[in-house]
Amino acid sequence: SQTIHQWPATLVQPVGSPLSLECTVEGTSNPNLYWYRQAAGRGLQLLFYSVGIGQISSEVPQNLSASRPQDRQFILSSKKLLLSDSGFYLCAWSVFVDGGYTFGSGTRLTVV
Amino acid sequence: GESVGLHLPTLSVQEGDNSIINCAYSNSASDYFIWYKQESGKGPQFIIDIRSNMDKRQGQRVTVLLNKTVKHLSLQIAATQPGDSAVYFCAEIPSGYALNFGKGTSLLVTP
Repeated sequence: SQTIHQWPATLVQPVGSPLSLECTVEGTSNPNLYWYRQAAGRGLQLLFYSVGIGQISSEVPQNLSASRPQDRQFILSSKKLLLSDSGFYLCAWSVFVDGGYTFGSGTRLTVV
Repeated sequence: GESVGLHLPTLSVQEGDNSIINCAYSNSASDYFIWYKQESGKGPQFIIDIRSNMDKRQGQRVTVLLNKTVKHLSLQIAATQPGDSAVYFCAEIPSGYALNFGKGTSLLVTP
C-alpha cells in the first residue's frame, strides 16, 4: 500500500534561518506531489505541485521554493524565513491531478 | 478569481442528529469534488468524492449532494458522533488543475 511521510512534525526556527521540509511517498511510481500551507483557522493554500522529477509549478509568489530531486521525494525550502512563513505545511500526493489526494501528517512551523 | 467557499464557518449539532455542511463553488468548469475531514493538528482525510456527472453519492453514514445548477455541494452526516467533530473542507478540481480548497466548516458535536 502507498504511504506518505512528512517530517519533521514540528519546527521552531528563527527569522532569517533556512528551511528544508521533506516529503516522501512509498508504494507508487510517478506520483503527483503537492505542498499546501494552512494558516491557523484557515483553509489550505496550494504552494507548489509537481507532475514529475524536476517539474515544479508555483501557485503563489512567495519566499519558498520546492524541488523534486527523486521520483517520490518533494522538498520545500527557504533561504531566509520570514515571520509570515509560520503555518501548518502539508504534503500530498495523487495518481492523477484530477483524482483524490492523500495528505501527510503535516509540519507545524513556527518562525520566531 | 473563482473559488470555493463555505456558507457557515461553524456548526454545532447534538450527538445522534444528522449534520449538513454546505459549500458553494463558482467555477463551472470543475468536474470533481471532494470532502475532507481534518482533525486538530492532523492532515486532511478523504471522506467522499463526487464527479460532475452525478448528483448524489453515498458512503458509510455520509452522503454528498451536488447541484450543478446552483453550484452547490453538501455533505450529510447521519447520526453524528463525537468522533465526527472536526473541520470539514470541500474541494474542487477544475479540469486538469490542482485541488482548490474552501475555507472549512468546524463541526462540533455536543452530547
